[in-house]
Amino acid sequence: ETGVTQSPTHLIKTRGQQVTLRCSSQSGHNTVSWYQQALGQGPQFIFQYYREEENGRGNFPPRFSGLQFPNYSSELNVNALELDDSALYLCASSPGRGGLGYEQYFGPGTRLTVT
Amino acid sequence: GQQVMQIPQYQHVQEGEDFTTYCNSSTTLSNIQWYKQRPGGHPVFLIQLVKSGEVKKQKRLTFQFGEAKKNSSLHITATQTTDVGTYFCAGHRSNDYKLSFGAGTTVTVRA
Repeated sequence: ETGVTQSPTHLIKTRGQQVTLRCSSQSGHNTVSWYQQALGQGPQFIFQYYREEENGRGNFPPRFSGLQFPNYSSELNVNALELDDSALYLCASSPGRGGLGYEQYFGPGTRLTVT
Repeated sequence: GQQVMQIPQYQHVQEGEDFTTYCNSSTTLSNIQWYKQRPGGHPVFLIQLVKSGEVKKQKRLTFQFGEAKKNSSLHITATQTTDVGTYFCAGHRSNDYKLSFGAGTTVTVRA
């Protein structure tokens, strides 16, 4: 059974640029959630995808967008990067519709630094 | 909006001692989950509680869900160096797919 994988592991971008982060969900999981974790904070829910459709969204601006593909892998896109976007971006997969009530299986994360 | 708060933010424990970390929500939760994140790692699921007043044990860890389903606690007995890390609680409101995390309790252990 393959766990959740994310790429890249680290990324450095300049303010104003755009970035795409990728996630492969655990085998058999059809729900993917994305979280932003600032240093010393808990993960903050960005949005969730279930069967290629956005299933819920946290308090993040529209420049944070995503996709889920037929194989349930997912992308997180962030446009017009700001310094405050520097964080660990975590992807988590779960079974069942929306993952409600199911444990989240987290990937290792992508560390994004915006300069 | 929903807020999940955890206290204390930091817990410094002598090896062998017990401690408790607390989680409080501003709204009623349908479930509470606990995760552990080791330094430099990612959150790893520990347990889920669903029923009011539910208590679950995992070896030296005891988890409790409050009667009003707005608070939870994690009690660790005989702390070991392997318990080092940050413990997060997280919960769903009813029919809300958003999982809200607390800021975590970071545990360090003195040998």
